[in-house]
Amino acid sequence: ETGVTQTPRHLVMGMTNKKSLKCEQHLGHNAMYWYKQSAKKPLELMFVYNFKEQTENNSVPSRFSPECPNSSHLFLHLHTLQPEDSALYLCASSQPGQQYEQYFGPGTRLTVT
Amino acid sequence: SQQGEEDPQALSIQEGENATMNCSYKTSINNLQWYRQNSGRGLVHLILIRSNEREKHSGRLRVTLDTSKKSSSLLITASRAADTASYFCATKSLNTGTASKLTFGTGTRLQVTL
Repeated sequence: ETGVTQTPRHLVMGMTNKKSLKCEQHLGHNAMYWYKQSAKKPLELMFVYNFKEQTENNSVPSRFSPECPNSSHLFLHLHTLQPEDSALYLCASSQPGQQYEQYFGPGTRLTVT
Repeated sequence: SQQGEEDPQALSIQEGENATMNCSYKTSINNLQWYRQNSGRGLVHLILIRSNEREKHSGRLRVTLDTSKKSSSLLITASRAADTASYFCATKSLNTGTASKLTFGTGTRLQVTL
């Protein structure tokens, strides 16, 4: 248990559905991250939030829409996804700054049909 | 190619043996971190080594960093079946702002058999 929770743990959705992934951290961190992990590929950073402000969008398609209402919660809103978006989506948090490690949630396994 | 590439991609050893994984990277870094991931789960931070450090220990883990060669190694001594997992290095580049933005490699899959 790392102090970062993600729901749901598994999600199957059609290409026309709209769904949201939720991440919550109980560590008092002020930076939160979304990553995508696909088979045989390195972990891809998608978004970074510092003190609720988005500071990084790593050229992510607009069908992924993040939301950070406060420093403890992070959402990833999904709509009109493609089958290639199927992956493990990982949330992480850390203290802001150069020298801090990240704490990861267990991930949401997303399958787009 | 990716910043942070692990070598080998897969490693199979017997319990009690040592496991060594290597990581190479391309840009100047602030620090390098190693993470572990059990199948289909989140990553767990193992150890962080700063660019001005050359070696660091944590329990059965030993990490080295050679900034002149842009490489790092992770040694797990006296391995156990429970060490079976994927291991990733991640680099924190210089001048990438205040967030702890990390770049991950593709990982080494370690299998420890009884």
